[in-house]
Amino acid sequence: EAQVTQNPRYLITVTGKKLTVTCSQNMNHEYMSWYRQDPGLGLRQIYYSMNVEVTDKGDVPEGYKVSRKEKRNFPLILESPSPNQTSLYFCASSPGVTAFAYEQYFGPGTRLTVT
Amino acid sequence: GENVEQHPSTLSVQEGDSAVIKCTYSDSASNYFPWYKQELGKGPQLIIDIRSNVGEKKDQRIAVTLNKTAKHFSLHITETQPEDSAVYFCAASNDYKLSFGAGTTVTVRA
Repeated sequence: EAQVTQNPRYLITVTGKKLTVTCSQNMNHEYMSWYRQDPGLGLRQIYYSMNVEVTDKGDVPEGYKVSRKEKRNFPLILESPSPNQTSLYFCASSPGVTAFAYEQYFGPGTRLTVT
Repeated sequence: GENVEQHPSTLSVQEGDSAVIKCTYSDSASNYFPWYKQELGKGPQLIIDIRSNVGEKKDQRIAVTLNKTAKHFSLHITETQPEDSAVYFCAASNDYKLSFGAGTTVTVRA
């Protein structure tokens, strides 16, 4: 089944404890992206990647890191999480190399709580 | 950067009636406008999209219109059904980034 998977689905952590949320897609997609969803703000793009080893900042990159060492994986790293990073996170992938003109397929989401 | 505004934030309609959601965008270079539907506990899923060289697109009960001059686009759902109840997001894209509106929670009353 073609899909985007995220792990973990739920995570509660404490301020300052480094964490990684994994994202993997099995569709051989070029483009991958991370979003956070907050009430009243919709989805905001954190980082995106057009291909292996090519990443760039979205609208809210502060406090996050990403890497794209393999085409199928795009982990999101929080080096020192803070309470304002409590949110619902989505990973997405697309067959094109841009956000334009191709559907983005979203994962099921990761709910992160930082205390 | 791109700023997308979406209205209304909540919409309640009687089953069988139509629902309309409106969005405006700020960047005249945006050229791709998708609409996503998000059901409870799931990720957003594309329901329809439109490109800047097209003014209107229809897919069964769903239609989208785009006015590039005014920089606004709308989603129209006709003959609403209970399964249309969800959160709907508009978005605008120019090249690599995708900017979303804040979302509209649609409730279809039986």
